[in-house]
Amino acid sequence: KNEVEQSPQNLTAQEGEFITINCSYSVGISALHWLQQHPGGGIVSLFMLSSGKKKHGRLIATINIQEKHSSLHITASHPRDSAVYICAARFGNEKLTFGTGTRLTIIP
Amino acid sequence: GAGVSQSPSNKVTEKGKDVELRCDPISGHTALYWYRQSLGQGLEFLIYFQGNSAPDKSGLPSDRFSAERTGGSVSTLTIQRTQQEDSAVYLCASRFRAGIADNEQFFGPGTRLTVL
Repeated sequence: KNEVEQSPQNLTAQEGEFITINCSYSVGISALHWLQQHPGGGIVSLFMLSSGKKKHGRLIATINIQEKHSSLHITASHPRDSAVYICAARFGNEKLTFGTGTRLTIIP
Repeated sequence: GAGVSQSPSNKVTEKGKDVELRCDPISGHTALYWYRQSLGQGLEFLIYFQGNSAPDKSGLPSDRFSAERTGGSVSTLTIQRTQQEDSAVYLCASRFRAGIADNEQFFGPGTRLTVL
């Protein structure tokens, strides 16, 4: 069964802290997405990766294919980073299977 | 605009009515996806289209749900005889082409459907 698990479910941190959100999946994938959803807002695709590491500004995404695990890191976190972060895996076909999301709150 | 657009942004309907939700993908994107996000639930796949191929409808929750994509561009998701459990945000996404590993999905803003 294709499953995606995220942790933590909720995360509250002080401004400036280094943030890590984890995502594990059950079987081999062709790609993994990290998405961001602001309250009342739409979804923005942050990263799509199938191996290694990608960086965009203060955001870094890594994936370990052997361990079936991906992490999203935020350096120097800011209140505007507060959102729900969702990982989604593509298990060799075109459908995405989504994690339940991590609600991140950054306190000034 | 350059992004995926959806209309309406909000729709309130009465139980038993039919609704149509529209998605305009990014120009030139051949793959189009519909997802649903119910209150307190995660996102779930509904259906996807790739060019002129038969759509993958495996995520549609019942035969009250159907979708079309005309001319390889605009898509309409239709829900017949709406039920309260259909209340959700319906998201559309497009991608340059399915089957290629290194191109991303771009999501629309969603349509919030409320069935009274």
